[in-house]
Amino acid sequence: AIQLTQSPSPLSASVGDRVTITCRASQGIATALAWYQQKPGKAPKLLISDASTLQSGVPSRFSGSGSGTDFTLTISSLQPEDFATYYCQQFYSYPLYSFGQGTKLEIK
Amino acid sequence: EVQLVESGGLVVQPGGSLRLSCAASGFTFSDHTMHWVRQTPEKGLEWVSLINWDGASTHYTDSVRGRFTISRDNSKNSLYLQMNSLRAEDTALYYCVKSLGDSEDYWGQGTLVTVSS
Repeated sequence: AIQLTQSPSPLSASVGDRVTITCRASQGIATALAWYQQKPGKAPKLLISDASTLQSGVPSRFSGSGSGTDFTLTISSLQPEDFATYYCQQFYSYPLYSFGQGTKLEIK
Repeated sequence: EVQLVESGGLVVQPGGSLRLSCAASGFTFSDHTMHWVRQTPEKGLEWVSLINWDGASTHYTDSVRGRFTISRDNSKNSLYLQMNSLRAEDTALYYCVKSLGDSEDYWGQGTLVTVSS
């Protein structure tokens, strides 16, 4: 099974900071990776699909990159509403999808 | 507006059974593959099962295969998860998810299953 490892966890940052979250796959997954944001008491929300495709309505300060085994989610300028937990998920090994363990983004 | 409303979560004893339901509205249910994903504070998010549009193809994560059965009724716009031989490690918040990971991705609010004696 493909394992996804996220780092760092947790991550402390301030409003206005540029932050990067990394997701590493245990084997190559091309660009079959999605990023989700989850706030307390809410369901996950899809931010990015296919490693770098920003979903409709998601602010442009969010971006994703990578292919193969190494992927990043970048927030260019943190806003107060961005403090949440972020998960990556791979879709390469259909149908055995897997998630990363999550990165909690905390206020410094 | 897309809506997915899960129900059926309860406290159940180890070895017991439970059936989760997900009522869908706001989209053409029969066009979409549907998923169950569960979440615990300890393990985070875990994909559980999927069913294709007509129910002809189903898949499960290893830990539930043989114990859980996913099904759908397109005439009722409903998704189900029959859970048998429940274990403590099945305790989780269970989400019904439409089109996981693509541009039409949508999650319900979840239903809580607790397996405890």
